[in-house]
Amino acid sequence: KNEVEQSPQNLTAQEGEFITINCSYSVGISALHWLQQHPGGGIVSLFMLSSGKKKHGRLIATINIQEKHSSLHITASHPRDSAVYICAVTREYGNKLVFGAGTILRVKS
Amino acid sequence: GAGVSQSPRYKVAKRGQDVALRCDPISGHVSLFWYQQALGQGPEFLTYFQNEAQLDKSGLPSDRFFAERPEGSVSTLKIQRTQQEDSAVYLCASTTRRGGTGELFFGEGSRLTVL
Repeated sequence: KNEVEQSPQNLTAQEGEFITINCSYSVGISALHWLQQHPGGGIVSLFMLSSGKKKHGRLIATINIQEKHSSLHITASHPRDSAVYICAVTREYGNKLVFGAGTILRVKS
Repeated sequence: GAGVSQSPRYKVAKRGQDVALRCDPISGHVSLFWYQQALGQGPEFLTYFQNEAQLDKSGLPSDRFFAERPEGSVSTLKIQRTQQEDSAVYLCASTTRRGGTGELFFGEGSRLTVL
């Protein structure tokens, strides 16, 4: 079983819809990252969380440490949000990030 | 520069050739990571540097892979005697903080194709 599991693997939404991507992890962590990767492009850091909730524009990320679960929400989705969204965790002891497989999001106009 | 810079962006190598991939992190960033991303997969950890010290190389898949960061800034990932399974995008990331607890800044990646 992977240490970081994301769902869904693929998501197609209509423009304007509210989107949720989920991430569950099985190890102790010191931080959780949500990342965005456009086709052929580099990876951009969206959020780094160790507790609670963060908001940036139309993006909201939450984390529940006890349940080892995080969600990324996109409000009023737009075609330009189409990308791969990746959850990654920094293990509590150690330096390396462990990545989820990513969620491929397509927002149709 | 303003961001993490990687070169070359694209590299085609014949099987058995040696390749070198360069990462120029953001100036002053302490931590530098290399990841390997196969097509359709999430990135996999290769190695981690804190300044010039390579503190974790547990993700390097074989002794054909070697990374260095001699002056604590630019890093080079070298792959000797390339094999087809080495074909992937190699990503570099840097952060101001030690370990993976700071905001990560990624380069555009170097796409290696081994024929």
